[in-house]
Amino acid sequence: DAKTTQPPSMDCAEGRAANLPCNHSTISGNEYVYWYRQIHSQGPQYIIHGLKNNETNEMASLIITEDRKSSTLILPHATLRDTAVYYCIVSGGYGNNRLAFGKGNQVVVIP
Amino acid sequence: NAGVMQNPRHLVRRRGQEARLRCSPMKGHSHVYWYRQLPEEGLKFMVYLQKENIIDESGMPKERFSAEFPKEGPSILRIQQVVRGDSAAYFCASSPERLYTDTQYFGPGTRLTVL
Repeated sequence: DAKTTQPPSMDCAEGRAANLPCNHSTISGNEYVYWYRQIHSQGPQYIIHGLKNNETNEMASLIITEDRKSSTLILPHATLRDTAVYYCIVSGGYGNNRLAFGKGNQVVVIP
Repeated sequence: NAGVMQNPRHLVRRRGQEARLRCSPMKGHSHVYWYRQLPEEGLKFMVYLQKENIIDESGMPKERFSAEFPKEGPSILRIQQVVRGDSAAYFCASSPERLYTDTQYFGPGTRLTVL
């Protein structure tokens, strides 16, 4: 029941910025965009989330288009340890909802 | 501040046995979620619990599976009479009592193998 579309895989160069796209054209007004990643079968790791403004933290930046129908997760300086499956998730805004993980985007950082 | 803890990390059971998976949420977190990840598939929600209450079990199979989160102690996911199809990684997540956020913190998972 995922409501997002991501490329199945992508490569990016170590040391360069990695831009991970996500489409969520059916997002509703109170839904947030969340990004998680899963490194080699470990537990998923929260990265960042946003509603409509761009967000930045120590891990990444999140750029959300003005119409909120798509977003981009930016890893500013990709390292080999960023190789993971990245999940873009749209979730209801009132909190404590189950997360609907899709197939994600397998990102491989290449030396 | 310890993260979400799950044990055991690996569990092997024979068909027909019971499996008990434990999850201790992060300190101060009162919400627990269980997810299952079958081999080569994405994570699927199973159940959401608060202390002594099951809030949403819509993702839990109707038979053989149960979950609890008692007032004291860890959350338990129990699978009775396991079958080979139950072999998967089971992840627990926790979150604090807080509106307008779905930030969940995941444990390392329990890998269940049914022989």
